[in-house]
Amino acid sequence: QVQLKETGPDLVQLTQTLSITCTVSGFSLTTYNVHWVRQPPGKGLEWMGAMWNGGGTDYNSAFKSRLSISRDTSKSQVFLKMNSLQTDDTAKYFCARHSAAISPFDYWGQGVMVTVSS
Amino acid sequence: DIQMTQSPPSLSASLGDKVTITCQASQNINKYIAWYQQKPGKAPRLLIRYTSTLESGTPSRFSGSGSGRDYSFSISNVESEDIASYYCLQYVNLPRTFGGGTKLELK
Repeated sequence: QVQLKETGPDLVQLTQTLSITCTVSGFSLTTYNVHWVRQPPGKGLEWMGAMWNGGGTDYNSAFKSRLSISRDTSKSQVFLKMNSLQTDDTAKYFCARHSAAISPFDYWGQGVMVTVSS
Repeated sequence: DIQMTQSPPSLSASLGDKVTITCQASQNINKYIAWYQQKPGKAPRLLIRYTSTLESGTPSRFSGSGSGRDYSFSISNVESEDIASYYCLQYVNLPRTFGGGTKLELK
């Protein structure tokens, strides 16, 4: 069955770099796209960026050049890396799948809660 | 970027009530709107896509409608398991954008 699972640190120091891995099963990264979405505590959802099935990426300009998304198809993993973390980057980070068609995110990981500490 | 203005931010309902949430897009999104339910500590769950198409497993008391810039999502006969937050998502353009959310509580 389709599954996505995020793994990453609970705590990251101010100005440091966040690295999160999304490991998927039940589908291929060369067929489906994987996106990253985050949610600060008690707040709404924010799209961060996408890894397309062809290997390209797109990013929310709100993250400027801080954000990088990559993948290892042999391991069915998508990686998020974001540098220069600030306290307002404290959030739950989700990866989510979407098909190659114009479609919404249909499957989501459980998310990983990351706290940026000073 | 397409802005999604969702209202109300919170809603109080009794069991059996009908509730409606609206999302207005800053431009025509050609019905490419989805609705999600999120319970505390959980990932969002896709309920409806393309304005009104229910996902497998979505109860028929959920419905969606709209066109152009204006969309609505309704729950008829609210049940206790429906207590959650709800979000709209436009998926016609990048960046994907969500509405601000609606928290549904029991009266």
